[in-house]
Amino acid sequence: GAGVSQSPSNKVTEKGKDVELRCDPISGHTALYWYRQSLGQGLEFLIYFQGNSAPDKSGLPSDRFSAERTGGSVSTLTIQRTQQEDSAVYLCASSPGHVPYYEQYFGPGTRLTVT
Amino acid sequence: AQSVAQPEDQVNVAEGNPLTVKCTYSVSGNPYLFWYVQYPNRGLQFLLKYITGDNLVKGSYGFEAEFNKSQTSFHLKKPSALVSDSALYFCAVRDWDGGSQGNLIFGKGTKLSVKP
Repeated sequence: GAGVSQSPSNKVTEKGKDVELRCDPISGHTALYWYRQSLGQGLEFLIYFQGNSAPDKSGLPSDRFSAERTGGSVSTLTIQRTQQEDSAVYLCASSPGHVPYYEQYFGPGTRLTVT
Repeated sequence: AQSVAQPEDQVNVAEGNPLTVKCTYSVSGNPYLFWYVQYPNRGLQFLLKYITGDNLVKGSYGFEAEFNKSQTSFHLKKPSALVSDSALYFCAVRDWDGGSQGNLIFGKGTKLSVKP
């Protein structure tokens, strides 16, 4: 079946611009996660959504970062006023639920470059 | 605080030889442990997990991992390495009972290079 998809695959933007990254989870998966992968920081958790519950935003690095999930499916990660340190690969993952024994299924990522 | 350590940035192995990629963890509750692999320009692929039960866990592509509670380790192993196993490997832990909301905490990754 279809896996997690993300778009765009690559995004180059100028410093100060806003960007939106999209994630389509596996159908039926109620939990959705965003991570950031960068050379210096490894894999960092950003935010997760579980069903209709309030998202856990504890990993968002600043208030320039926000995310929403519409209709319990597609999610958009928005970065406002991008900075060069935002350059990274942004990975989305989904799982059947936010319970400890479920593995997460990852998308291919969006490579963001801020010039 | 919860953490995962992968002490080796890179592991080099000859094809056909056994391989081990090391992982140790620190959690305050029960550990739920995972291994993922990342091929170049791809997302992470799930390999295997330890939840409870047998300490030796078998996963995809012939990989296995041994959970050792006393040593707080979860090393990834394969009896005979293939060139196609060359990739970046991540160990991760979920500290479900430890108050971290059960989020996955990743190690920094180990690059595995298998030479013919």
